[in-house]
Amino acid sequence: GENVEQHPSTLSVQEGDSAVIKCTYSDSASNYFPWYKQELGKRPQLIIDIRSNVGEKKDQRIAVTLNKTAKHFSLHITETQPEDSAVYFCAATGTASKLTFGTGTRLQVTL
Amino acid sequence: GAVVSQHPSWVICKSGTSVKIECRSLDFQATTMFWYRQFPKQSLMLMATSNEGSKATYEQGVEKDKFLINHASLTLSTLTVTSAHPEDSSFYICSARGAGAPETQYFGPGTRLLVL
Repeated sequence: GENVEQHPSTLSVQEGDSAVIKCTYSDSASNYFPWYKQELGKRPQLIIDIRSNVGEKKDQRIAVTLNKTAKHFSLHITETQPEDSAVYFCAATGTASKLTFGTGTRLQVTL
Repeated sequence: GAVVSQHPSWVICKSGTSVKIECRSLDFQATTMFWYRQFPKQSLMLMATSNEGSKATYEQGVEKDKFLINHASLTLSTLTVTSAHPEDSSFYICSARGAGAPETQYFGPGTRLLVL
């Protein structure tokens, strides 16, 4: 089955700096890569997603890049704000059409 | 649109009892629903996939006789934790996927289960 690795596990940045979270996946047939933000005790919220026919997608301060050859995808958050502090999960949909989640990155944005 | 509700939001029960959790898609028909479990400071782990009117497909290591899933309609799936034990204490989250956006999963708010 699909295996998704995510790094780093924790990330601390100063307000206004950029944050980058990286993921790798194993199933070359995976074609959908969403990113979720989860605040403590709440549901995961979809913040951006990318499909395998696209290399990059941007939505305001958030961007995602995908390298299908290397089976890497990354989340970029620019001009970070304290409200960006949360746990971020990458995920990939493999051949079984199921989402496999990464292990999560705890992002802390300090003032 | 694409709202998924879950009930109850939290439950405390005694060891050995059974607990039922409901997952509803409020404004769309969910062709597929998923049940996840999330332990503290860990990722979401898929437990099972259910399609309306058919038996659920369980992930490896998940006991189907302990975690009973029923997907009786296109808007409702239930997860019953039978003979719950303290190690079943966790955050259970459902998600639903509709025919209109087959890749996108919409998550419920989760149910926190504490077994004493």
